[in-house]
Amino acid sequence: GAVVSQHPSRVICKSGTSVKIECRSLDFQATTMFWYRQFPKQSLMLMATSNEGSKATYEQGVEKDKFLINHASLTLSTLTVTSAHPEDSSFYICSARDLVASGGTIAKNIQYFGAGTRLSVL
Amino acid sequence: AQSVTQLGSHVSVSEGALVLLRCNYSSSVPPYLFWYVQYPNQGLQLLLKYTTGATLVKGINGFEAEFKKSETSFHLTKPSAHMSDAAEYFCAVSDFTGNQFYFGTGTSLTVIP
Repeated sequence: GAVVSQHPSRVICKSGTSVKIECRSLDFQATTMFWYRQFPKQSLMLMATSNEGSKATYEQGVEKDKFLINHASLTLSTLTVTSAHPEDSSFYICSARDLVASGGTIAKNIQYFGAGTRLSVL
Repeated sequence: AQSVTQLGSHVSVSEGALVLLRCNYSSSVPPYLFWYVQYPNQGLQLLLKYTTGATLVKGINGFEAEFKKSETSFHLTKPSAHMSDAAEYFCAVSDFTGNQFYFGTGTSLTVIP
């Protein structure tokens, strides 16, 4: 249990284009999803927290118009990097949390992470 | 806010030797504690976690960690290192809601043949 799928795993795009990254919880309902960014050789930086059906909460310094987050269902959140530039190149990782214990091995209030998306903007 | 300190950004051990990766946290309330491993160009894989109960937690790949409240530590150990253990390791802390995850800066483990 507790599988979070992130797609695509790697994307290369031209400067000025937009890129959408999907994060899905496959075997539980994710009331909350998180988006992180990781720079080379550094730790994860929380970008935003999204609750299903409501607007995302962005961390200080994260441009909400640049990084659009949608959490339209309990199993899917998307991050769209709009008008991407080379400085947006990074590793983006999502995580999902279930507030209610679903039984089995899925523990409530624990974040489960996707495998990440490597974005390269040329 | 909580903070997580991982002592040693780089650790090298010989194959077969003990692995010890250190993690200390600052929290007045017992937190949830995690260790994740990250292989190059991959996401985070959960090694083990402590939420409640027994303070010695066993995880995957032969790793274990012990929660010591008096020392505010959650060090990761493995009796015998394998070459495949070479990776980046992150310690993380969250409160009981899971809303906030605080990551350490990571420790890169090198295993010498």
